Amino acid sequence: GENVEQHPSTLSVQEGDSAVIKCTYSDSASNYFPWYKQELGKRPQLIIDIRSNVGEKKDQRIAVTLNKTAKHFSLHITETQPEDSAVYFCAASRGGGADGLTFGKGTHLIIQP
Amino acid sequence: DAMVIQNPRYQVTQFGKPVTLSCSQTLNHNVMYWYQQKSSQAPKLLFHYYDKDFNNEADTPDNFQSRRPNTSFCFLDIRSPGLGDAAMYLCATSRSSGRYEQYFGPGTRLTVT
Repeated sequence: GENVEQHPSTLSVQEGDSAVIKCTYSDSASNYFPWYKQELGKRPQLIIDIRSNVGEKKDQRIAVTLNKTAKHFSLHITETQPEDSAVYFCAASRGGGADGLTFGKGTHLIIQP
Repeated sequence: DAMVIQNPRYQVTQFGKPVTLSCSQTLNHNVMYWYQQKSSQAPKLLFHYYDKDFNNEADTPDNFQSRRPNTSFCFLDIRSPGLGDAAMYLCATSRSSGRYEQYFGPGTRLTVT
């Protein structure tokens, strides 16, 4: 089955700086890669996703890059703000209901004022 | 608003006493998923339904069962809960074509005494 590795487990950055979280996956059949933000006690919220036919996607301060050859993808958050503090999960799947999401272990992002 | 609803939000059960968690959706999505999320861990897929087809993960314990009587509803049955089954149980839905985004419900927090 799919295996997703995520690093780092904790990331502390100064407000206004950028944050980068990296993930690798093992199943070459995976073609859908979402990123979720989860605040304590709440449901995971999708913040951005990318399909395997795209190398990069951007939405305001958030961007995701995908290197399908190397089987890794990254989340980039620029101009970080206090409300960005949360746990971020990467995930992978084959999409289309063929399987569910396999999540990385999560990154606790701390924005220092 | 179209959404994923989970009931109850909090459930307390006794060791070994069967419990059922429910999920309903108004999104008319044909794929429904159940995830288990233990404290400070990532969500872990238990099983999913693609239409009426049930797909069990290889490492999901036999203690966990699921039913999907129609498109809108899905149930998670835990036949004999153990202390290790205390967790947040998240239901999610998605389409099998087009956008692959999974929409999560608010979760049911299960406590086993």
